Amino acid sequence: DIQMTQSPPSLSASLGDKVTITCQASQNINKYIAWYQQKPGKAPRLLIRYTSTLESGTPSRFSGSGSGRDYSFSISNVESEDIASYYCLQYVNLPYTFGAGTKLELK
Amino acid sequence: QVQLKESGPGLVQPSQTLSLTCTVSGLSLTSNSVSWIRQPPGKGLEWMGVIWSNGGTDYNSAIKSRLSISRDTSKSQVFLKMNSLQTEDTAMYFCARTGWFAYWGQGTLVTVSS
Repeated sequence: DIQMTQSPPSLSASLGDKVTITCQASQNINKYIAWYQQKPGKAPRLLIRYTSTLESGTPSRFSGSGSGRDYSFSISNVESEDIASYYCLQYVNLPYTFGAGTKLELK
Repeated sequence: QVQLKESGPGLVQPSQTLSLTCTVSGLSLTSNSVSWIRQPPGKGLEWMGVIWSNGGTDYNSAIKSRLSISRDTSKSQVFLKMNSLQTEDTAMYFCARTGWFAYWGQGTLVTVSS
């Protein structure tokens, strides 16, 4: 199974800050990584697929990059509506595996 | 408009079998694959298994011996059955269109307790 090591587990930011979350895969995942936002009591919402492709409706302040084993997800100009948990997912090999998540809080 | 909706019992007794239904609309099960994903309270997401558009299935090896996924294409429904439930199976259970999981159901909370 491919392990996805996501960091940091939690993040504290002020409105307007830029934050970055990373995911490292245990093997090359050929850019098949997606990023999700999840708010309490809700299903995850797809923000980015295939490393850097923004899903329809995803604000441009969200971005993704990376290759091989190492990937990152950023939010520039954090807004209050961005307070949530974020997860990465590799979907190149079964079983699909998620990172452990990052909880973004307001400073 | 693609929609998925999970349904099932909210409470299951330990050692019993869980049965959940995912009803889909706006997509055909013969050309789309559907996965089940679960999330224990306060914890992360675990992919459980998938039923492919051709009807084949794959499961997470961690729970493969207890899990079965099937479908009824005429009713646009996907089913999950998992036996020998324990308290650690308490979780929100989601169904989602497989690929990069652009579409998810709202989830259904299953509590395993006597």
